[in-house]
Amino acid sequence: EDKVVQSPLSLVVHEGDTVTLNCSYEVTNFRSLLWYKQEKKAPTFLFMLTSSGIEKKSGRLSSILDKKELFSILNITATQTGDSAVYLCAVDPNYQLIWGAGTKLIIKP
Amino acid sequence: DGGITQSPKYLFRKEGQNVTLSCEQNLNHDAMYWYRQDPGQGLRLIYYSQIVNDFQKGDIAEGYSVSREKKESFPLTVTSAQKNPTAFYLCASSIVGTSYGYTFGSGTRLTVV
Repeated sequence: EDKVVQSPLSLVVHEGDTVTLNCSYEVTNFRSLLWYKQEKKAPTFLFMLTSSGIEKKSGRLSSILDKKELFSILNITATQTGDSAVYLCAVDPNYQLIWGAGTKLIIKP
Repeated sequence: DGGITQSPKYLFRKEGQNVTLSCEQNLNHDAMYWYRQDPGQGLRLIYYSQIVNDFQKGDIAEGYSVSREKKESFPLTVTSAQKNPTAFYLCASSIVGTSYGYTFGSGTRLTVV
């Protein structure tokens, strides 16, 4: 059975800290891995990763995929209170996304 | 601006009642999806549709029904057969054959009272 596991499930850090969120997966067919940020309601797209070892970067956020070890990490440096959200990881085996449970990140001022 | 509109934002239902959640998009996307999100869990697929007048069951379709009479609209009915309907419901759309282009609505929080 295809599955996506995120860890930790929740994380509390102080503003300015760096955090690493993990996403591991087991799927029969792999097309891509995606990261979304969900602040209150609608998830918003962050990154799509298809190739191992190539870092995607957007400001203080970056992500990388390891297709051999079947995981991805999402890094956030110099965290701000606005980074507080649930971060969702999803894997696309056949255009129907399989979602992890999410990591709830709380940034304390 | 293009996007997805879900309504209502909050919905209260008495046990035994059917209720319909609205989802409308003006992105010209062919594919539309309904997800359920419970606390501490990821998104679980209820139904999806890739073309008008056709839809497929997702992982948790029991107790739900959908229709796709127009490309722009994909309403979800939560029937009285759904044992635990209290949840947050998200609608999404995408271009068929892509995954990164999912656009989500703002969701409907359904509470059974």
